Amino acid sequence: ETGVTQTPRHLVMGMTNKKSLKCEQHLGHNAMYWYKQSAKKPLELMFVYSLEERVENNSVPSRFSPECPNSSHLFLHLHTLQPEDSALYLCASSHARRVGELFFGEGSRLTVL
Amino acid sequence: ELKVEQNPLFLSMQEGKNYTIYCNYSTTSDRLYWYRQDPGKSLESLFVLLSNGAVKQEGRLMASLDTKARLSTLHITAAVHDLSATYFCAVDIGDDKIIFGKGTRLHILP
Repeated sequence: ETGVTQTPRHLVMGMTNKKSLKCEQHLGHNAMYWYKQSAKKPLELMFVYSLEERVENNSVPSRFSPECPNSSHLFLHLHTLQPEDSALYLCASSHARRVGELFFGEGSRLTVL
Repeated sequence: ELKVEQNPLFLSMQEGKNYTIYCNYSTTSDRLYWYRQDPGKSLESLFVLLSNGAVKQEGRLMASLDTKARLSTLHITAAVHDLSATYFCAVDIGDDKIIFGKGTRLHILP
């Protein structure tokens, strides 16, 4: 596989569920990102991991919990979400320290009932 | 507060016409990116602009960067239907953070 792979592509969950989104990159990058894309807002930067350390937690509610076990994998753990959290969650990767642009996965479409 | 503003946000144009999308940003940066997103798809990188005065061209699209004016433009020449998509500019503000504009939804009429 090449590029940035996200699973699942679609997820429907209730407000009391716990689920996780997974992202894997095969590009040899060392920075990974979670962005949220919803209909009424621009792409929102949620979390940044650079060299496996979290460098940004952009005022994201604690019901979203990221995990980066190594430079190739990134998770977003979801717990007691709200309907307004329904959105497309995009994972991206890049070379750390401002070397280049982001490479995005296909996204995980989340619906919270 | 950092702002990345694109205009227009919506653009409907005829095939064969030329048009320009503008991206203004409110902080110092010498790195700017343009992305394309098709409906239901992810974002695809189009251009990487790394210095003042940078100009990149690919087919009917040309992007430029003026870091002093904090302005980037994406120019479309002789538009074709296949260019219909949403176009985003994104500004690198350092510390591995890249902030996106709201996107310009481009619809090209045959």
